Amino acid sequence: DTGVSQNPRHKITKRGQNVTFRCDPISEHNRLYWYRQTLGQGPEFLTYFQNEAQLEKSRLLSDRFSAERPKGSFSTLEIQRTEQGDSAMYLCASWTGTGPTDTQYFGPGTRLTVL
Amino acid sequence: QKEVEQNSGPLSVPEGAIASLNCTYSDRGSQSFFWYRQYSGKSPELIMFIYSNGDKEDGRFTAQLNKASQYVSLLIRDSQPSDSATYLCAVKGGSYGKLTFGQGTILTVHP
Repeated sequence: DTGVSQNPRHKITKRGQNVTFRCDPISEHNRLYWYRQTLGQGPEFLTYFQNEAQLEKSRLLSDRFSAERPKGSFSTLEIQRTEQGDSAMYLCASWTGTGPTDTQYFGPGTRLTVL
Repeated sequence: QKEVEQNSGPLSVPEGAIASLNCTYSDRGSQSFFWYRQYSGKSPELIMFIYSNGDKEDGRFTAQLNKASQYVSLLIRDSQPSDSATYLCAVKGGSYGKLTFGQGTILTVHP
């Protein structure tokens, strides 16, 4: 257990529905990342928060995706009008970002299946 | 060319052997490199990081970095069946330290 929690752990939804995932980072970590991992691939960066500010977004983050970190603590990732191609593991990671050796700690992930 | 590439697998080694996992990266300015282990259905778990040229050892694991060749490797000595997993190479970069991962190498250690 890294101290990063994600909920739900699994989500099955029908195409066209909206889903929301939550990430609770390690409390003293002000930097938070979302990644997406599809089967047989490494995780791909989606978006980055420093405190409550969303400072970087990947081109992978289409307009159906939105992420927030309202008080600089937990973060949510919402997918609207889900598509089958959204089926993946969504990973959250946090770190303090204080040096080159500082590492990102991953939560357990939320596995999304879109039927 | 992908930003981070790992040697294609799967890799199968007998128990007790040395497993060698390789990774190349394209951004010459990259500073920090990480190896994660990922069991099926689980999230990545950090094994080691390295940022200086040369070798870094931690128990049965040795990470090797050659910035001139833009090459990172992970050696696992005395491989155990419990080491069977997917190994992900990641490079930290960009303005905000995002990780760019390779596609992973599946390692199987057979008794």
